[in-house]
Amino acid sequence: GAGVSQTPSNKVTEKGKYVELRCDPISGHTALYWYRQSLGQGPEFLIYFQGTGAADDSGLPNDRFFAVRPEGSVSTLKIQRTERGDSAVYLCASSFSGQGHSPLHFGNGTRLTVT
Amino acid sequence: SQQGEEDPQALSIQEGENATMNCSYKTSINNLQWYRQNSGRGLVHLILIRSNEREKHSGRLRVTLDTSKKSSSLLITASRAADTASYFCATDARGSARQLTFGSGTQLTVLP
Repeated sequence: GAGVSQTPSNKVTEKGKYVELRCDPISGHTALYWYRQSLGQGPEFLIYFQGTGAADDSGLPNDRFFAVRPEGSVSTLKIQRTERGDSAVYLCASSFSGQGHSPLHFGNGTRLTVT
Repeated sequence: SQQGEEDPQALSIQEGENATMNCSYKTSINNLQWYRQNSGRGLVHLILIRSNEREKHSGRLRVTLDTSKKSSSLLITASRAADTASYFCATDARGSARQLTFGSGTQLTVLP
């Protein structure tokens, strides 16, 4: 079956530009997560959706970052006024429920490079 | 700060040998999970152990959890070249809603 799909797989943008990263979760998964992974590090939590609402956005680093999931399926992570420090792999994951024992299914990520 | 920290950071072994990776964490947890990541790919869930469990097996994987020491270990027996990947522990801390906190990972290389 289809897994979590993220597009684009790679994105190069100039400092100060706006970017959108898309995530298609596994069908039927109500929980959706965004993580950011820097080279040589583990994923760092950004935001968690249960259905359409952001249940926990405590990991968003600042107000340049915003994410939506308007219909409870596809999600878009939006970054305004990109900075070189935003360069990382942005990972999306979904799970059947938001319960802690429900394993996360990850996409292959979007590698963002800000020049 | 990182909730989970893996040890060692890198491990290189010969095919057929066992590989042991350790994870330490700081706060009380509901459960601990191990994930694997191949280069350039997303993470794949391997195994979950609940806070009231001490040991769990899945195929060639064996996970232990010691909540008194706030530590876990992942043992891969009879390793194969295809096991080469980064391995991460992730904790679901009590009171932290549903965010998993990942360590910085162990890079395992299995030489054929």
